[in-house]
Amino acid sequence: SQQGEEDPQALSIQEGENATMNCSYKTSINNLQWYRQNSGRGLVHLILIRSNEREKHSGRLRVTLDTSKKSSSLLITASRAADTASYFCATDVVEEGQKLVFGQGTRLTINP
Amino acid sequence: EAQVTQNPRYLITVTGKKLTVTCSQNMNHEYMSWYRQDPGLGLRQIYYSMNVEVTDKGDVPEGYKVSRKEKRNFPLILESPSPNQTSLYFCASSLGGLQETQYFGPGTRLLVL
Repeated sequence: SQQGEEDPQALSIQEGENATMNCSYKTSINNLQWYRQNSGRGLVHLILIRSNEREKHSGRLRVTLDTSKKSSSLLITASRAADTASYFCATDVVEEGQKLVFGQGTRLTINP
Repeated sequence: EAQVTQNPRYLITVTGKKLTVTCSQNMNHEYMSWYRQDPGLGLRQIYYSMNVEVTDKGDVPEGYKVSRKEKRNFPLILESPSPNQTSLYFCASSLGGLQETQYFGPGTRLLVL
């Protein structure tokens, strides 16, 4: 079952601008994670936010979580060319044990 | 270096020929899992394992088998591969389950003819 849905599917911005990606999910979660994937490579963990947290920061990344709306957003500030990648949210589905469910991802392109 | 390794990285095979993709981690992680990634469908979990001899189905387990005889290894077995199993496969591990960071391997690109 596809739990997370990212929006937009693709985003293209100029270097230095901020990029915002959104993730919506359907069922109760314990935590939500964001990952980055450079073309065809393995995923790299960016940040984990627990269901009792509303906002979390890590360097140029800011993640928010709204459990009432079942949504999360990832903000990348002052984007760089190296941020070009696909970004995925992943949720653990409370009713389904230790399964991790990924969204389809947002393809981010940073133009120099 | 702490890492998750997968072998082979690329594989072309024919329908029905049994194959195994190995996954190994050197971080003493308890949780390991397999995903497949297909265009437009994102990553989908195939199987996961909470510890040695403990495995469970993910969202798309049909056509796959796994085993966890040792903590560090979690091989993915395709007993009779079919073309619809052509995909990019990732193994991942974490210290204690979904509350922890998942560490991903580099991926195995499989083509079944």
